[in-house]
Amino acid sequence: DTEVTQTPKHLVMGMTNKKSLKCEQHMGHRAMYWYKQKAKKPPELMFVYSYEKLSINESVPSRFSPECPNSSLLNLHLHALQPEDSALYLCASSQGLAVRAGELFFGEGSRLTVL
Amino acid sequence: QKEVEQNSGPLSVPEGAIASLNCTYSDRGSQSFFWYRQYSGKSPELIMSIYSNGDKEDGRFTAQLNKASQYVSLLIRDSQPSDSATYLCAVTQTSYDKVIFGPGTSLSVIP
Repeated sequence: DTEVTQTPKHLVMGMTNKKSLKCEQHMGHRAMYWYKQKAKKPPELMFVYSYEKLSINESVPSRFSPECPNSSLLNLHLHALQPEDSALYLCASSQGLAVRAGELFFGEGSRLTVL
Repeated sequence: QKEVEQNSGPLSVPEGAIASLNCTYSDRGSQSFFWYRQYSGKSPELIMSIYSNGDKEDGRFTAQLNKASQYVSLLIRDSQPSDSATYLCAVTQTSYDKVIFGPGTSLSVIP
């Protein structure tokens, strides 16, 4: 079974749409992350939800908004996106404990295309 | 200066050879260091973590850390075609909750 589940796997949306990406982790981890990855580039950190505290990469535009209903779920709400937002969106979780915080377990990703 | 830098590659090695991947980082307060492997079209997968100076071995993989030089490396012994992937170096900064990835090195193992 996949420990970190992302839905949908593929999403095509127009610039005026509102959609959401969902992520659920089944590992009992206390930290969850959203990363954005463009082709042939490394993942870029967007948001971290760790021990009930949300940290935001200040370079992320407000058309992306995270929501954490509980410690196992981290959603990413999308509104008024631009074509340059088309990318692979990766959700990850970790124990969030000190030196091991960087041991990330990734979901399979959600491939987003903005038309 | 970029926070985490890696040899851009691509790196090609013959099957059975040792592949050497290098990474440098700029934040002296960095605490933890990781190597991820990413196959084309897939998500990254953690293969090694290292927290203190020296070497750490796991099967065919050896990670080396030198905090004084701000340098991390990954050696892959007896390289196999299945090792062909992009290898991402990642570093956690002082606050631990921020994991920064390097640009990645593409490795191709030639049969």
